[in-house]
Amino acid sequence: GAVVSQHPSRVICKSGTSVKIECRSLDFQATTMFWYRQFPKQSLMLMATSNEGSKATYEQGVEKDKFLINHASLTLSTLTVTSAHPEDSSFYICSASFSNTEAFFGQGTRLTVV
Amino acid sequence: KQEVTQIPAALSVPEGENLVLNCSFTDSAIYNLQWFRQDPGKGLTSLLLIQSSQREQTSGRLNASLDKSSGRSTLYIAASQPGDSATYLCAALSAGAGSYQLTFGKGTKLSVIP
Repeated sequence: GAVVSQHPSRVICKSGTSVKIECRSLDFQATTMFWYRQFPKQSLMLMATSNEGSKATYEQGVEKDKFLINHASLTLSTLTVTSAHPEDSSFYICSASFSNTEAFFGQGTRLTVV
Repeated sequence: KQEVTQIPAALSVPEGENLVLNCSFTDSAIYNLQWFRQDPGKGLTSLLLIQSSQREQTSGRLNASLDKSSGRSTLYIAASQPGDSATYLCAALSAGAGSYQLTFGKGTKLSVIP
């Protein structure tokens, strides 16, 4: 299957700082990228959907000014957690797909805000 | 709005048993349904993808079926092994606001006892 690379896999940051997570589709062009977060023992919750070249669509309850998503090219999307707080500590996963075909997932980023 | 439910939430079986995991979805207008495996603290591994026009898919000891009209999918694992212990998630891909949306169930945590 296609490969989606997510970086970094783990990050620890101080409260108040910003963290950027990258999601790259290595061998295909991703027209759509999805960002999820997962709290312990819970399922993945969709945060936002981004299409290349357009603004991301955020799910209800997700602060767009806090979770900045950029999908500048068909192979790269970034999620920036701005002014991170301990409650933002979570597991973030991106997925990429071309049209309505199979979604391929990155390996996730464990964010810890101290 | 699509909702995905997985039953049971947890399952413990002795090694060698065959088992079935269940997934149901409320909106039958899906493009496809995927089954994933998630190991603790790790990302997702795609196991099987069933397109909306298909009834089942098989990979090794895994068989997934899809009954779109009734909103159900099952994942059958034959001759379970301790290495199968993980959380299994199903996700339905359907139309979202201007894009596609992948909706996850909460998962079934499987423990295979040696």
